[in-house]
Amino acid sequence: AQSVTQPDIHITVSEGASLELRCNYSYGATPYLFWYVQSPGQGLQLLLKYFSGDTLVQGIKGFEAEFKRSQSSFNLRKPSVHWSDAAEYFCAVVPEGGFKTIFGAGTRLFVKA
Amino acid sequence: GAGVSQSPSNKVTEKGKDVELRCDPISGHTALYWYRQSLGQGLEFLIYFQGNSAPDKSGLPSDRFSAERTGGSVSTLTIQRTQQEDSAVYLCASSLGAGGSGELFFGEGSRLTVL
Repeated sequence: AQSVTQPDIHITVSEGASLELRCNYSYGATPYLFWYVQSPGQGLQLLLKYFSGDTLVQGIKGFEAEFKRSQSSFNLRKPSVHWSDAAEYFCAVVPEGGFKTIFGAGTRLFVKA
Repeated sequence: GAGVSQSPSNKVTEKGKDVELRCDPISGHTALYWYRQSLGQGLEFLIYFQGNSAPDKSGLPSDRFSAERTGGSVSTLTIQRTQQEDSAVYLCASSLGAGGSGELFFGEGSRLTVL
C-alpha cells in the first residue's frame, strides 16, 4: 500500500548533539518530498523540499535532508540541535504524477539540556 | 490576504450540533486542503480541492462531514451532528497547485471541542 512512514514517534537528543529523523515512502520513484515543522502552539512551516537534482537539500534553521532513491528515504538531519528545535516534524510526499500532499504521522523531538 | 486565514480559531459546541469552519486561502492559490489533527496525532487528510476539478473527498471520515469551495476561493468545512470524537484541530492549507512548487501554506487552525 502507498504510505509515508516515520518510524520514530518521538526522539530525545541532547542540545548540541546531531539529529537524524527518518522518513520512508512508497509513492513511486520520483515523488516530491517535503519536511514540515510544527512548533508548540504554532502552525506548520516548510523546512525544505526536494523535487529533482542534487539529492542533498538544504533548508531553513540549519536543517538538511538527503533523498536516497534506492532506499525510498528522505531523512532529515541537523549537525547540532538547539533547544528551540523541540517540535514535531512531519515528512510529506506529493506522489509521482499527482498533486495531493500526504503526510507521515510525525516525529516529536525533545531536546534535553 | 497575506496568509491562510481560518475562523473561528476556537469553537466549543455541544454534542449533536452542527458546526461550520471557514478557510480563506492565499489569493491565487488553486489548491486547498483540509486536514484534521487530533491530540498527539499526525495530520489526517480530509479533502482536497484543485481548481474547478471535482474535489478528492476520500479522507472524509463519515457522511456527517462535508466541504465546499465557492468561486475557487473560500472553503467551508461542515460537520453535522457533532460527536465527541470530532474534537480536534482542523487545519486548512493552500498551494499554487498544478505547476506550482507543491509547498503548502497552513492556517493557524480551528480548534473544535465537542462537549
